[in-house]
Amino acid sequence: GDSVTQMEGPVTLSEEAFLTINCTYTATGYPSLFWYVQYPGEGLQLLLKATKADDKGSNKGFEATYRKETTSFHLEKGSVQVSDSAVYFCALSQPGYSSASKIIFGSGTRLSIRP
Amino acid sequence: EAEVAQSPRYKITEKSQAVAFWCDPISGHATLYWYRQILGQGPELLVQFQDESVVDDSQLPKDRFSAERLKGVDSTLKIQPAELGDSAMYLCASSLRTGVMRLEQFFGPGTRLTVL
Repeated sequence: GDSVTQMEGPVTLSEEAFLTINCTYTATGYPSLFWYVQYPGEGLQLLLKATKADDKGSNKGFEATYRKETTSFHLEKGSVQVSDSAVYFCALSQPGYSSASKIIFGSGTRLSIRP
Repeated sequence: EAEVAQSPRYKITEKSQAVAFWCDPISGHATLYWYRQILGQGPELLVQFQDESVVDDSQLPKDRFSAERLKGVDSTLKIQPAELGDSAMYLCASSLRTGVMRLEQFFGPGTRLTVL
């Protein structure tokens, strides 16, 4: 079945450092790919998404490019801030007009940014 | 900004007791999801409703878990009896009516359950 694998955490960086969180997926067809973020004590928020190959999703300085040839969707940010400390989840969902549109999540990567 | 509401935020119970969680989706969202998130893992779908109908409950442990959305608006997830392994965060999410491609799911803050 479909699955998502992301790098294990925790990842600890200094403020203004460059961030990469790796994510690869296994899926049939052409899924949509997502990054969700979960701040302490809160629910998940959609950070960015890409729906087809070579699409780049971006939001709040974060970017990820849908690479079908490597089945990857790595999350990057050029200069992280303390406020970016959170757990980041890579996820996918399958296309189509099905009413069953569940999201399959990776296990999450905890990011901690030092001032 | 509209949000998904969940209550309670925290619940501590003893094993073999019954627990119930409540979710109120964003107004107008026909699709409602219940996820379970075990510590250190990503959320896993338990059940999905389209209006009042269940469209996917393949991962719901039906011997002890039940979910309902009687009027197609708010929903209740129940566990009876609770087991130690049920300790987790239970997340509710909602989206506009599916059937027009995948739409963004909006998540509530979750209910953290601890079973002693």
